[in-house]
Amino acid sequence: EVQLLESGGGLVQPGGSLRLSCAASGFSFSTYAMTWVRQAPGKGLEWVSTISGSGGATYYADSVKARFSISRDNSKNTVYLQMNSLRVEDTAVYYCAKGVIGAAGVFDYWGQGAQVTVSS
Amino acid sequence: DIQMTQSPSSLSASVGDRITITCRASQDISNYLAWFQQKPGKAPKSLIYDASSLRSGVPSKFSGSGSGTDFTLTISSLQPEDFATYYCQQYNTYPLTFGGGTKVEIK
Repeated sequence: EVQLLESGGGLVQPGGSLRLSCAASGFSFSTYAMTWVRQAPGKGLEWVSTISGSGGATYYADSVKARFSISRDNSKNTVYLQMNSLRVEDTAVYYCAKGVIGAAGVFDYWGQGAQVTVSS
Repeated sequence: DIQMTQSPSSLSASVGDRITITCRASQDISNYLAWFQQKPGKAPKSLIYDASSLRSGVPSKFSGSGSGTDFTLTISSLQPEDFATYYCQQYNTYPLTFGGGTKVEIK
């Protein structure tokens, strides 16, 4: 059974940093791209970042580029999202999602989400 | 960036109704479109990919169609568990983009 479990969320002041983790199980982790998607309170879904199975390719939304960094440790079956210079508008539930073979942008499984609140 | 526009933004329907949600892309995305269902406080659930392919385990009352710029999601015979918000998403190019969502409510 595929499982994705996010952790690392919390309350942080503007300008602060936070690192989210998404621990995966139930599939051959290094074979699949992984993605972070966020949802601000009462709003729709927003793609944040994607990383290829090997970690050699990464993609970012303009809204987070140069502030966020996606990485993965295939030995630990975990994908990370390092978030720096956080802004109030980064407040959201952050979901990790698993890609499918041959299509990094197609998601078949999602985690339960991690709440990130940026506030002074 | 490719803009995804869903309509309507909300609709009211009764149990047993057939409904259709539309998603329009700002440029040709071939069939690189997915649909998701999200219930309050829950993670999205993947329903359809490649515009019309049903994900394993998703009931056949859900169907998708379209290509190029115009797409539809149809739910035949709405059941209480289908009342949720539905999103489309294009994966033709980065940045990946979602539609604004369609909230399906009980009439």
